Amino acid sequence: DSGVTQTPKHLITATGQRVTLRCSPRSGDLSVYWYQQSLDQGLQFLIQYYNGEERAKGNILERFSAQQFPDLHSELNLSSLELGDSALYFCASSVGLGGKSTDTQYFGPGTRLTVL
Amino acid sequence: AQKITQTQPGMFVQEKEAVTLDCTYDTSDQSYGLFWYKQPSSGEMIFLIYQGSYDEQNATEGRYSLNFQKARKSANLVISASQLGDSAMYFCAMREGRGNYGQNFVFGPGTRLSVLP
Repeated sequence: DSGVTQTPKHLITATGQRVTLRCSPRSGDLSVYWYQQSLDQGLQFLIQYYNGEERAKGNILERFSAQQFPDLHSELNLSSLELGDSALYFCASSVGLGGKSTDTQYFGPGTRLTVL
Repeated sequence: AQKITQTQPGMFVQEKEAVTLDCTYDTSDQSYGLFWYKQPSSGEMIFLIYQGSYDEQNATEGRYSLNFQKARKSANLVISASQLGDSAMYFCAMREGRGNYGQNFVFGPGTRLSVLP
């Protein structure tokens, strides 16, 4: 158990809908990262938040947005869902910004999103 | 161009033998970090080992060691004394520095390791 929690574990929805994925980082970790893992794209970095502020952006679509709240939990919002958005979405957390050897990212169990 | 290359889509190893999983990377940053993660069939991502670009010694964590060859831009994972529980997908990943504005993280396509009894 990494200490990172994600809810829900599974999510099934229809095209065009909007969903919210939730992540609670490990106690003491200030950074939260979101990743998408799909069969054709592999593991893709989406976005990073550090202590409530956006700090790095990867291959995140405009239909997707995220935020980190004062209690450091984070939510990933996916809207106007398409079939291709079906994937495993991981959240990870680290102590700092990720630039030091101690800033290892610990991953949550993931949320499996199925868009029908 | 791929930033992380893992040329072995699948590997087999006999139980108790050692195995090397290859990883080459591409970056122009001087400061970067290299990671290996394990993903069993259950789906979770498990951190194995980290190597910083300025680390002079190869990282080791129990049965895992990282063979870091900076000039060749390779960061191969060596698993000694393979166990059946080592059967999983293994991902090489890189953190590129962006100063105080966060980092960029790139994962390779993975290598599926199967340990044979």
